[in-house]
Amino acid sequence: AQSVSQHNHHVILSEAASLELGCNYSYGGTVNLFWYVQYPGQHLQLLLKYFSGDPLVKGIKGFEAEFIKSKFSFNLRKPSVQWSDTAEYFCAVNAWGGYQKVTFGIGTKLQVIP
Amino acid sequence: EAQVTQNPRYLITVTGKKLTVTCSQNMNHEYMSWYRQDPGLGLRQIYYSMNVEVTDKGDVPEGYKVSRKEKRNFPLILESPSPNQTSLYFCASSLVFSGSSYNSPLHFGNGTRLTVT
Repeated sequence: AQSVSQHNHHVILSEAASLELGCNYSYGGTVNLFWYVQYPGQHLQLLLKYFSGDPLVKGIKGFEAEFIKSKFSFNLRKPSVQWSDTAEYFCAVNAWGGYQKVTFGIGTKLQVIP
Repeated sequence: EAQVTQNPRYLITVTGKKLTVTCSQNMNHEYMSWYRQDPGLGLRQIYYSMNVEVTDKGDVPEGYKVSRKEKRNFPLILESPSPNQTSLYFCASSLVFSGSSYNSPLHFGNGTRLTVT
C-alpha cells in the first residue's frame, strides 16, 4: 500500500525566507506525485505535479519540487515566501497508471509573518 | 467554467437523519472521489468511482454510500449519520486517459462542512 509522510506539520517563516517542505512516500513501483495547496477557507488546488522526465518540476507562484527516486522524496521549495503563501500544503501520490487511489499526506500548515 | 460543484456548503443535522451531499462536475471526467478532511489527519479517501456504475471503497468507507448513475454526478449518502462523521468533505474529479500511464490531477469542489449533533 502506498503512504505519504510530511515531516513538518506547522511551519512559521518571515517574508522573504526560503521554504522547503519535506515529503516522503512509500510505494514499490513508479509513482505520480503532486503538491496541492489549500488557502484558508478554500478547496485544494494543484500547485505542481510530476509524472515523468525532468525530476525538477516548476509549478505556479514560484514553487518547485524535486523528485529524488533513491530517497523516495518529493520536497517542495520556494526561494522567497510571501505573506500570501500562508496556506496548508499537501503532498499526494498515486501509482503510475493506477488512478484509483490517490493518497495524501496529513498536510503542512505554513504561516508567513509579514 | 470548468468546475466541481458540491451542495450544500454547510449542513447541520442530528444523529440518524439520512442526508445526501451532491457533487457534480462539468468536465466530462471519468474519475470521481470523495474525501474527508480532519485536523491532524489530512485528507482520507472515502469512496471513488472510475466510471459510471463502477465504485469502490477508499480508506474510510464505513457509514457512507455512493452511487454513480451518470458520469457527471457522484452523490455521497450518509444513511444514519453519527457525530464522528462531523468533518469537512471534498468531492474531486479527474480525467483519465485509458490505456495510458498519465494521470491528470484532481479538481476539487469547494467542500461541505457537516456537523452531526
